[in-house]
Amino acid sequence: DAGVTQSPTHLIKTRGQQVTLRCSPKSGHDTVSWYQQALGQGPQFIFQYYEEEERQRGNFPDRFSGHQFPNYSSELNVNALLLGDSALYLCASSLEGQSSYEQYFGPGTRLTVT
Amino acid sequence: AQSVTQLDSQVPVFEEAPVELRCNYSSSVSVYLFWYVQYPNQGLQLLLKYLSGSTLVKGINGFEAEFNKSQTSFHLRKPSVHISDTAEYFCAVSENSNSGYALNFGKGTSLLVTP
Repeated sequence: DAGVTQSPTHLIKTRGQQVTLRCSPKSGHDTVSWYQQALGQGPQFIFQYYEEEERQRGNFPDRFSGHQFPNYSSELNVNALLLGDSALYLCASSLEGQSSYEQYFGPGTRLTVT
Repeated sequence: AQSVTQLDSQVPVFEEAPVELRCNYSSSVSVYLFWYVQYPNQGLQLLLKYLSGSTLVKGINGFEAEFNKSQTSFHLRKPSVHISDTAEYFCAVSENSNSGYALNFGKGTSLLVTP
């Protein structure tokens, strides 16, 4: 049973560039959430995708956008990168319905902005 | 709006000693409560959750937590820790809204178990 997978593992970008991170949910899951975890902090909710639509959004600027594909996989895009965007980006998946509160996390993508 | 406060940023403890990691939350609506563990260079793993019912919940690896509604707390405990329990622990809440369940995390508590 494949868990949540994310790619790439690590990424280094320059300030002002754009980046795309990818996530494949756990087998059978249909909902994907993205979180940003700065060094020494707890994860912060960016947004959640269900049925290819953004359903909920945290307090993040429009530079952060996403997409969900028909196979439930998802992408997180960040434009005009800032040094402060350096963080571990975590993807979590869940199944809409009775257990939709239970989220399974991937290993994350470590983004460094220089 | 919800908020989560983890009262200790670091907790050093000797192997086989008991430990308690403290978590307080604030919310104007009914919430679900969670504890996650994060080992170095890994994602988050769910330790346990409180949804409703019994206020004492048991999780994996011998951990348990008690929900106290009057004190808005959800402290994590383990009677005897192992070296392998060294990790970062996060308390989280989500609004019981039947939709989305975005998690709101505390800043984490670093548990360091030494021989």
